[in-house]
Amino acid sequence: DIQMTQSPSSLSAFVGDRVTITCRASQSISSDLNWYQHKPGNAPQLLIYASSNLQSGVPSRFSGSGSGTDFTLTISSLQPEDFATYYCQQSYSTPLFTFGGGTKVEIK
Amino acid sequence: QVQLVESGGGLVKPGGSLRLSCAGSEFIFSDYYMSWIRQAPGKGLEWVSWISGGSSYTNYADSVKGRFTISRDNAKNSLYLQMNSLRAEDTAVYYCARVLSTSGYHNTRGWYFDLWGRGTLVTVSS
Repeated sequence: DIQMTQSPSSLSAFVGDRVTITCRASQSISSDLNWYQHKPGNAPQLLIYASSNLQSGVPSRFSGSGSGTDFTLTISSLQPEDFATYYCQQSYSTPLFTFGGGTKVEIK
Repeated sequence: QVQLVESGGGLVKPGGSLRLSCAGSEFIFSDYYMSWIRQAPGKGLEWVSWISGGSSYTNYADSVKGRFTISRDNAKNSLYLQMNSLRAEDTAVYYCARVLSTSGYHNTRGWYFDLWGRGTLVTVSS
């Protein structure tokens, strides 16, 4: 099975900061990597699909990059509504999906 | 608006059964593959199962294979998860999600979950 490792597991940042979250796959997954945002009590929300494609309605301060084994989610200027947990998910080895362990973004 | 709403969660004893439901609205339900994903307390997301639009194809995580059954009723715009032989480790919030693909469902790569519900809590405890 493909394992997905996110880092850091948590971070603290100020509003306006540039934030970068990394996701590493245990083997090459091409560009088959998706990112989600999850706030407690809410439905998870798709941010980025296929490594770098911004989902409709998602603010442009979110961006994704990477291919092979290393991927990055960047928030260019952190906003108060961005404090949440972020998950990566590989879709290379469908029909078996794997999520990363999550990165919790907190207010500093 | 376009949404998914789960129901059916609750407290059940180990070895017991529970059936979850998910109602879709404002989209052509039968056009989409659908999936169940869960999150145990303090843990990350874990994919559980998916089903094709016409119910011809299904797949399960090893952790639930043989105990859980996914199904759907397109006439009712509804997705289901029948959970049998429940264990304490099945305790989680269960989300239903709509599946999309970058290159069509026939391609086994590039699937992602573009619409999620808010989840329903299942607690397995004596």
